[in-house]
Amino acid sequence: NAGVTQTPKFQVLKTGQSMTLQCAQDMNHNSMYWYRQDPGMGLRLIYYSASEGTTDKGEVPNGYNVSRLNKREFSLRLESAAPSQTSVYFCASRGGRHEQYFGPGTRLTVT
Amino acid sequence: KNQVEQSPQSLIILEGKNCTLQCNYTVSPFSNLRWYKQDTGRGPVSLTIMTFSENTKSNGRYTATLDADTKQSSLHITASQLSDSASYICVVTPSGSARQLTFGSGTQLTVLP
Repeated sequence: NAGVTQTPKFQVLKTGQSMTLQCAQDMNHNSMYWYRQDPGMGLRLIYYSASEGTTDKGEVPNGYNVSRLNKREFSLRLESAAPSQTSVYFCASRGGRHEQYFGPGTRLTVT
Repeated sequence: KNQVEQSPQSLIILEGKNCTLQCNYTVSPFSNLRWYKQDTGRGPVSLTIMTFSENTKSNGRYTATLDADTKQSSLHITASQLSDSASYICVVTPSGSARQLTFGSGTQLTVLP
């Protein structure tokens, strides 16, 4: 089992460009999450999906959109990147006892 | 607002020594409290989980304690190894809201030879 995989691992964008971060899990979990991690701050929830076909906003959703393509895949899209979106992005899926399994992260820099 | 505060922000110890990391939280009521380990450049990985009724949980050289009355948890690492160098994150799950986990900002531990 690969667990949670994310692509790309690194990305540099110019202000105004768009991109999609991909996430997939092979653990048959219903719930999936997108977080951002900034220096000195805890992980913050951007969006989550409780099941295929449903998505909800988290704490910091502005500037992002998501798609739960199927049970395995949950993508995060930046329509018009801004320097404030420079961060490390983690995808996670939830298993038993609310344990979240995290992907390796995507380091995004917006110049 | 639910908060999780961790201390110290960073800690440097010598290999073989013990250390204790602290977590204070205001989340109440809560379903469980977890400690995660995050290696540099990787995603967090769960180390221990405790419900509100448990006061200690061990995972090898890692022992977590919980005092629900004072809303404090600690993670004790025994006989540290170089591979323990990482960020340790305290995470609280509020009751009835599994999506809204509250993450601490972590303690960065460096173990020197």
